[in-house]
Amino acid sequence: DGGITQSPKYLFRKEGQNVTLSCEQNLNHDAMYWYRQDPGQGLRLIYYSQIVNDFQKGDIAEGYSVSREKKESFPLTVTSAQKNPTAFYLCASSHGPDQPQHFGDGTRLSIL
Amino acid sequence: GESVGLHLPTLSVQEGDNSIINCAYSNSASDYFIWYKQESGKGPQFIIDIRSNMDKRQGQRVTVLLNKTVKHLSLQIAATQPGDSAVYFCAENGDTSGTYKYIFGTGTRLKVLA
Repeated sequence: DGGITQSPKYLFRKEGQNVTLSCEQNLNHDAMYWYRQDPGQGLRLIYYSQIVNDFQKGDIAEGYSVSREKKESFPLTVTSAQKNPTAFYLCASSHGPDQPQHFGDGTRLSIL
Repeated sequence: GESVGLHLPTLSVQEGDNSIINCAYSNSASDYFIWYKQESGKGPQFIIDIRSNMDKRQGQRVTVLLNKTVKHLSLQIAATQPGDSAVYFCAENGDTSGTYKYIFGTGTRLKVLA
């Protein structure tokens, strides 16, 4: 079945540590996105990529980094510069702008 | 600007009744809207979308209504079932057509009573 796979489902970060969240899609979508979801708030865009080897900052990019070396993959690194990383992270993909985004099942990141 | 709330409104409906979930969107220039369903611990699931050249669109057991005059979107679920229990939220494409950036609502929790 086509879809988006995020891993791991749960992740714990120690102080000063960088952690990387995986996102893979086999929908042949050009665009991919990373969102952060906090309780009682709407999704906030961290980074997005319209095409391989290109990506743009979203509304809350500080403390995060991404790469898009392959069409299928869009990993997100939460760096030690992100002081409040505890959240539910969602990856999505779409054919393009103004098209529905399809989401993975998320990674929940917590601080040890 | 974005509409972000701290408290999630809840709609409780009896199994078999119809549900209506509302969304007040923020940008009058938005021309594409999506409804998502999110179950606990899972990612949002696409339900239905509508573009601004339409007032109504129907899917299987769901209908989306768009009122551009008052910037209001609604999702109607017919014959609500226990499996419909989830958080529902809308998304709009903001003030730039062709944008990859969406504005997401905070959501409404739907509880289906047996």
